Amino acid sequence: QSALTQPASVSGSPGQSITISCTGTSSDIGSYNLVSWYQQHPGKAPKLIIYEGTKRPSGVSNRFSGSKSGKAASLTISGLQAEDEADYYCCSYAGSDTWVFGGGTKLTVL
Amino acid sequence: QVQLVQSGAEVKKPGASVKVSCEASGYTFTSYVMHWVRQAPGQRLEWMGWINPGNGNTKYSQNFQGRVTITTDTSASTAYMELSSLRSEGTAVYYCARESRGSSAYFDYWGQGTLVTVSS
Repeated sequence: QSALTQPASVSGSPGQSITISCTGTSSDIGSYNLVSWYQQHPGKAPKLIIYEGTKRPSGVSNRFSGSKSGKAASLTISGLQAEDEADYYCCSYAGSDTWVFGGGTKLTVL
Repeated sequence: QVQLVQSGAEVKKPGASVKVSCEASGYTFTSYVMHWVRQAPGQRLEWMGWINPGNGNTKYSQNFQGRVTITTDTSASTAYMELSSLRSEGTAVYYCARESRGSSAYFDYWGQGTLVTVSS
């Protein structure tokens, strides 16, 4: 199972919006509406920020939003803040009771 | 509140095995599937496999098939991940993660991670 494809890095200034893409295949993102996104600060465990492609868990800022189209999903962070600087990972159910993560994207807030 | 507390860091020699534990609290342990995820230094998250504590069913990633064994002790609300034939590239942080109920397929709670260092 190959990793989902994410850009290695993105950057933005405070207050701006950024979008992180996540590209899969017809076996994972393309077949299931089960994409989740995780935020990971250095030395910390990942934290769920989006599930089922577009839904936010309670307690997660509405500055985070997700979308999906075909074999790709996206995470948008609006109104960038310094604390958003972290690594972001997409994850998809891949059928046959298996999961696959993306390669991760490092977000730098300039 | 839900908590997943993992065992401490380990140092192992190449060829050895390691067993990492994940003690759950704050919910009914047998009602949620538990997954394990690996993260090598500076690398991506990598899904390893899962166990259903309610019935003992397991599923492993092909990348770890034959080397990983996930078990539980339901009386202790604890899941275990044992990785054998460790190689130097096996140095990584290993996380347990609880899967949400239903068919939403996401990980809502994570352990703090356990660093396993493989070195001769």
